[in-house]
Amino acid sequence: NAGVTQTPKFQVLKTGQSMTLQCAQDMNHEYMSWYRQDPGMGLRLIHYSVGAGITDQGEVPNGYNVSRSTTEDFPLRLLSAAPSQTSVYFCASSYSPGGYGYTFGSGTRLTVV
Amino acid sequence: KNQVEQSPQSLIILEGKNCTLQCNYTVSPFSNLRWYKQDTGRGPVSLTIMTFSENTKSNGRYTATLDADTKQSSLHITASQLSDSASYICVVSPYSGGGADGLTFGKGTHLIIQP
Repeated sequence: NAGVTQTPKFQVLKTGQSMTLQCAQDMNHEYMSWYRQDPGMGLRLIHYSVGAGITDQGEVPNGYNVSRSTTEDFPLRLLSAAPSQTSVYFCASSYSPGGYGYTFGSGTRLTVV
Repeated sequence: KNQVEQSPQSLIILEGKNCTLQCNYTVSPFSNLRWYKQDTGRGPVSLTIMTFSENTKSNGRYTATLDADTKQSSLHITASQLSDSASYICVVSPYSGGGADGLTFGKGTHLIIQP
């Protein structure tokens, strides 16, 4: 099925561990983004990309890295996990400027202990 | 600072009743406003998207209104169903030519439909 696929769905990490959250879309969207969602807060932008090889920081980029080597994939790397990074992470993609056709993945629930 | 405020924070109504959710924003310049539905444990799904020139847009039992002068939007749900239980998120975009940067998300209204 066409859409945005995120893996894993759930993950528990120990403080200091690193990991990569995977995001893939098969809609040939140029724009892709990573958000985190915390209780009582709106979705906050971590990093985004406007095309392969182009990424930029969002509102809360510290502790996360991204790269975009292909149009389809946009992985998010946690360098050294901290309890403050416990959250639900969403990847999203869009085919047009302004976010028309914006599609979200189903999320990754990350717990850092 | 761009902000999107939603009210109420949570709402409980009986199945079959109507309800209206509110969204006030202070985003400038303004390009478009979207309403998303987010079921528990799932990603947000788009319901409607409106530009500044659109006053009303419907999607089945969901009707969104926009007053760009007062910077207010509402989402009206008619004849609610149990499947409408979800969080509803208002999102405002300041750009017509940008990517994902600049989107401002509200915190959402948590709606519970009781049988």
